[in-house]
Amino acid sequence: GEDVEQSLFLSVREGDSSVINCTYTDSSSTYLYWYKQEPGAGLQLLTYIFSNMDMKQDQRLTVLLNKKDKHLSLRIADTQTGDSAIYFCAETTSGTYKYIFGTGTRLKVLA
Amino acid sequence: EAQVTQNPRYLITVTGKKLTVTCSQNMNHEYMSWYRQDPGLGLRQIYYSMNVEVTDKGDVPEGYKVSRKEKRNFPLILESPSPNQTSLYFCASSFAGLADTQYFGPGTRLTVL
Repeated sequence: GEDVEQSLFLSVREGDSSVINCTYTDSSSTYLYWYKQEPGAGLQLLTYIFSNMDMKQDQRLTVLLNKKDKHLSLRIADTQTGDSAIYFCAETTSGTYKYIFGTGTRLKVLA
Repeated sequence: EAQVTQNPRYLITVTGKKLTVTCSQNMNHEYMSWYRQDPGLGLRQIYYSMNVEVTDKGDVPEGYKVSRKEKRNFPLILESPSPNQTSLYFCASSFAGLADTQYFGPGTRLTVL
């Protein structure tokens, strides 16, 4: 079945760039998403990329998609303490509205 | 204010005692979904609904039921809860397209003893 994997933890210094990685197995993925979960809250959508795109930039966020390697990454420029949260990647597949989420990466930003 | 609400926010119950977690959205969204979040496993989709009277299984539907009799409500029913259903549950809603933002509720922390 489909599987989405992420590393569990990432620690960066304030002002540095963060890169959060995700690998997925379903080659028929249509949309890939990045969500942020702050402590005690639900998830909020940060950005998404359609599978026919390689890159998407939105202010401090850059999403890179390598379809050949089934690898998705989220780069956060000038990381701030307010970026400390759990980040989830997710995918959906053509013809279904089923979402597959990754295990989440806990980002800790050190002042 | 546009939002997804869930009730209750916290629930402790015992094995076998039927319970319902309610979910309501005020955004006229067609799509609604339930997830559970467990440490190390991320979010897993339980059920989703494309519209009234249209529901489908996610990855982990066993032990759960849902209904979608009205567009705004999507209750999650545990007919006979077991300890392995102890988890943090999220409801979410969106317009129908896959590029549309899913809005998540605040979560319901369920403990089954």
